[in-house]
Amino acid sequence: KAGVTQTPRYLIKTRGQQVTLSCSPISGHRSVSWYQQTPGQGLQFLFEYFSETQRNKGNFPGRFSGRQFSNSRSEMNVSTLELGDSALYLCASSPDGTNSPLHFGNGTRLTVT
Amino acid sequence: DAKTTQPNSMESNEEEPVHLPCNHSTISGTDYIHWYRQLPSQGPEYVIHGLTSNVNNRMASLAIAEDRKSSTLILHRATLRDAAVYYCIQRDTGNQFYFGTGTSLTVIP
Repeated sequence: KAGVTQTPRYLIKTRGQQVTLSCSPISGHRSVSWYQQTPGQGLQFLFEYFSETQRNKGNFPGRFSGRQFSNSRSEMNVSTLELGDSALYLCASSPDGTNSPLHFGNGTRLTVT
Repeated sequence: DAKTTQPNSMESNEEEPVHLPCNHSTISGTDYIHWYRQLPSQGPEYVIHGLTSNVNNRMASLAIAEDRKSSTLILHRATLRDAAVYYCIQRDTGNQFYFGTGTSLTVIP
């Protein structure tokens, strides 16, 4: 079974731009969640989608948004990028999100200049 | 906000057992404890999880205190491949994961 795939692996953007990151979950997994990882704040939960609906949301500004498609693939979007948005963005999938283990991708490294 | 606290770093000799502690004093009765580990340039990898009783799998054992305010991840024989950052996570009924700062484990050959 293929693992969680995140694209692209690396991204460089300029302040003020917007960016879209993609995540393909493990086949059959319906829950997709997103995390931001920075050296200062560690791993922080962004949001979780299940069956195309946002089920949970972390404490991030509205510039961070996401969506999930009918095939469970997910995208997250960050608008009006700030320098502080530079981070590793991780996507994780699970069959139904209810206490089953998360399977993480290797992340997208976003650098904002 | 992180709901778990862990030591920043620990060392272990190769082939010896390792006990990684975690405090989760605000845990509620239905919150699970999960452990993940992360190698450089990779996403976190699931290790083990449990609710009340001790749990074992091929990777590790999880010992949960009777009052559930702390737990210990036990690696029975540390190998060099076990060197990683280990995260203890409290997962609430809202299905959110609260990652702590993790423990960086160094395995000494």
